[in-house]
Amino acid sequence: EDQVTQSPEALRLQEGESSSLNCSYTVSGLRGLFWYRQDPGKGPEFLFTLYSAGEEKEKERLKATLTKKESFLHITAPKPEDSATYLCAVPSNFGNEKLTFGTGTRLTIIP
Amino acid sequence: NAGVTQTPKFQVLKTGQSMTLQCAQDMNHEYMSWYRQDPGMGLRLIHYSVGAGITDQGEVPNGYNVSRSTTEDFPLRLLSAAPSQTSVYFCASSKGLAGELFFGEGSRLTVL
Repeated sequence: EDQVTQSPEALRLQEGESSSLNCSYTVSGLRGLFWYRQDPGKGPEFLFTLYSAGEEKEKERLKATLTKKESFLHITAPKPEDSATYLCAVPSNFGNEKLTFGTGTRLTIIP
Repeated sequence: NAGVTQTPKFQVLKTGQSMTLQCAQDMNHEYMSWYRQDPGMGLRLIHYSVGAGITDQGEVPNGYNVSRSTTEDFPLRLLSAAPSQTSVYFCASSKGLAGELFFGEGSRLTVL
């Protein structure tokens, strides 16, 4: 069964303190890995798609990378507005009609 | 553009009642889906649709029905509400398939 595991569950950082979030997956033939951001009381917001090992995507202070077994979301010099829950997801069937989500990492940036 | 619009935002039901959560999108997306989000369990797919007239089950379909008569609308029906259906429900759509989803703001349902 395809699984997605995110770590840590929660992370508290001082403003400006860089770190990384992890998303490990077990799928038979990866057909994309997706990162989302979710603010409290809101729906998830799409951030990145990664398709192949070695691929990297960047957006402001966020950079997502992908290996054959896991993906990292690197946060460089974070600001309080980066506080959110970050979710990763992978397609769980060959038709790409279904996504399996991880349970997320709740990131808090302390001013 | 409004994006994905869900109504109602909050609803309280009694066990056994039925109701429909509405979802509409104005982006002409073919793919639409419903998820529920529960603490510690993440987002779980209930039902999805790849176009008008086509629906299929996700991971947790029991107790829910869907239909897709138009490209814009994808309502989720609870046939006989149970306390286990207390959750936050999200509707999502995408131009292609399931990866790059646009989510609605969510509907918080409490079943007493």
